[in-house]
Amino acid sequence: SQKIEQNSEALNIQEGKTATLTCNYTNYSPAYLQWYRQDPGRGPVFLLLIRENEKEKRKERLKVTFDTTLKQSLFHITASQPADSATYLCALDMSGNQGGKLIFGQGTELSVKP
Amino acid sequence: DGGITQSPKYLFRKEGQNVTLSCEQNLNHDAMYWYRQDPGQGLRLIYYSQIVNDFQKGDIAEGYSVSREKKESFPLTVTSAQKNPTAFYLCASSIDAGWNEKLFFGSGTQLSVL
Repeated sequence: SQKIEQNSEALNIQEGKTATLTCNYTNYSPAYLQWYRQDPGRGPVFLLLIRENEKEKRKERLKVTFDTTLKQSLFHITASQPADSATYLCALDMSGNQGGKLIFGQGTELSVKP
Repeated sequence: DGGITQSPKYLFRKEGQNVTLSCEQNLNHDAMYWYRQDPGQGLRLIYYSQIVNDFQKGDIAEGYSVSREKKESFPLTVTSAQKNPTAFYLCASSIDAGWNEKLFFGSGTQLSVL
């Protein structure tokens, strides 16, 4: 079955640096991959979606890459700020033709220190 | 404001009791979902509904039941058959059940056992 692995250890970085989070998956490559942000006690909030034929996607200070050969997605936050501190989840589609069934990684907790 | 409303924020269940978690959306979305989140684990899909009066089991449906009588509402009942119900429950919706649709989440319900 498809498995997703994200950095299990929390990532601590200094304000202004670039944070890089990893999402690895096994088995078949999904048609698309999504990243979400989750704050404590809150529901996840959608950030970015990248399709298998897109190598890179950007939104303001966020950048996502998708390497189907390595079976990996990287999520970058440039010029990080303390307000970026949260848990970041990646999610993959289970099957392109059945719709809506995303499987989520366990998330990586990011802490940005001033 | 459009969004998804979950209630209550906190819920306590006594042994042998059924409890119902409410989820309402005013986004006019066709698809709705229930996920369970345990500490250090990814979100796991309990049930999903692609259209009114229809729903499908997710990966961990045992001990849970749902209904979808109205487009706006997708309540989840945690039955006494669910022996380990303590978790953070998240309701989500998407425009439709297309495989590339992003999910909108509610703020969650924390269920604990007395």
